[in-house]
Amino acid sequence: DTGVSQNPRHKITKRGQNVTFRCDPISEHNRLYWYRQTLGQGPEFLTYFQNEAQLEKSRLLSDRFSAERPKGSFSTLEIQRTEQGDSAMYLCASKRGSLTGELFFGEGSRLTVL
Amino acid sequence: EDKVVQSPLSLVVHEGDTVTLNCSYEVTNFRSLLWYKQEKKAPTFLFMLTSSGIEKKSGRLSSILDKKELFSILNITATQTGDSAIYLCAVGFGETSGSRLTFGEGTQLTVNP
Repeated sequence: DTGVSQNPRHKITKRGQNVTFRCDPISEHNRLYWYRQTLGQGPEFLTYFQNEAQLEKSRLLSDRFSAERPKGSFSTLEIQRTEQGDSAMYLCASKRGSLTGELFFGEGSRLTVL
Repeated sequence: EDKVVQSPLSLVVHEGDTVTLNCSYEVTNFRSLLWYKQEKKAPTFLFMLTSSGIEKKSGRLSSILDKKELFSILNITATQTGDSAIYLCAVGFGETSGSRLTFGEGTQLTVNP
């Protein structure tokens, strides 16, 4: 399988716990994006990496959220002290280095905070 | 503020009908407009448009961009129940935005037999 891979696919946690999601992009893609999607809404941009450098973060990304891409390959998104409002689908996407072109999405990690 | 607006938000049709989905945008330094189809999982790519007036076509789906009026339409002819999905419009823009996409809310299309 050469697509974008995300895990876990589902995560149920209690409020206040920390959670971490992992994304493995398509291997030759140097750009990696995290989006969040809630029911009835389109995906909202969270953050973006070019290789290992985190080049942009949305103001939606509070200080409880942190993302890394340590060797320019896989990426992790950690949410600390989760709140019920964090419940959403977290989508990872990747693309080659051109400024245009499609994003290839993973199947997402669904977070439910009780 | 940059924004992407889709209409209608919801649409119910019968098999065989033709539908037109709309996407308008207000962004700085437009680069591209993309259409995605989302069933229950990840969005899947349909079209990318960068030039005005050039129709992109794939089977029963087609799309066109008007950069002067800042909108795009997605047409689906002879709809089938398998076309039921959320259709997302996304715009890539900006000089330093890393070509990230900003999405509209989506149009929920339901095709009844």
